[in-house]
Amino acid sequence: AQKVTQAQTEISVVEKEDVTLDCVYETRDTTYYLFWYKQPPSGELVFLIRRNSFDEQNEISGRYSWNFQKSTSSFNFTITASQVVDSAVYFCALGGADGLTFGKGTHLIIQP
Amino acid sequence: SQTIHQWPATLVQPVGSPLSLECTVEGTSNPNLYWYRQAAGRGLQLLFYSVGIGQISSEVPQNLSASRPQDRQFILSSKKLLLSDSGFYLCAWDPGVGGYNQPQHFGDGTRLSIL
Repeated sequence: AQKVTQAQTEISVVEKEDVTLDCVYETRDTTYYLFWYKQPPSGELVFLIRRNSFDEQNEISGRYSWNFQKSTSSFNFTITASQVVDSAVYFCALGGADGLTFGKGTHLIIQP
Repeated sequence: SQTIHQWPATLVQPVGSPLSLECTVEGTSNPNLYWYRQAAGRGLQLLFYSVGIGQISSEVPQNLSASRPQDRQFILSSKKLLLSDSGFYLCAWDPGVGGYNQPQHFGDGTRLSIL
């Protein structure tokens, strides 16, 4: 069975600091997909990124970057120069033969 | 573009009362549809998913049920609510092709409080 672990339940940093959210996954599939979602206080889940298992290229989108490493089964998410608006719960998810599996989420608090 | 509507946004119901939450998707055909529950503001629990009209798969046995009377309509129901049904309910869709390589897109959610 596939599994996603987000070991950090809550992270608190001061605005403008960089912060990395960890995501470790387990799967027996050779083809799978990894996702990150953001859930702001308003509640809706916002899709951020998708990565397939054959593409280990890191991706940068503005202040957001993602580091996919198959060797360590990790798909970490870094926010550079964090802002108060980044405060949210962030979910990592794995899509494979068993369906879509979400981690338990990391609550990120950005203090002004 | 595709949009997903979910209502109501907030609901307060007494124990033992019935429930009906509705979700509709616009701008796409034959989507996969999902109902999730998020208790205590954290992890997502998949309740039901549907790959087509009248096709419902249940992930967790409980007193909730789901129906898909139309291609882009997904309804979550209960005949008698329990206190443990309180939570945040999210509807989601994906394009329905390509397996789990497509991201799911979520509605705004319904906060359900059982008194």
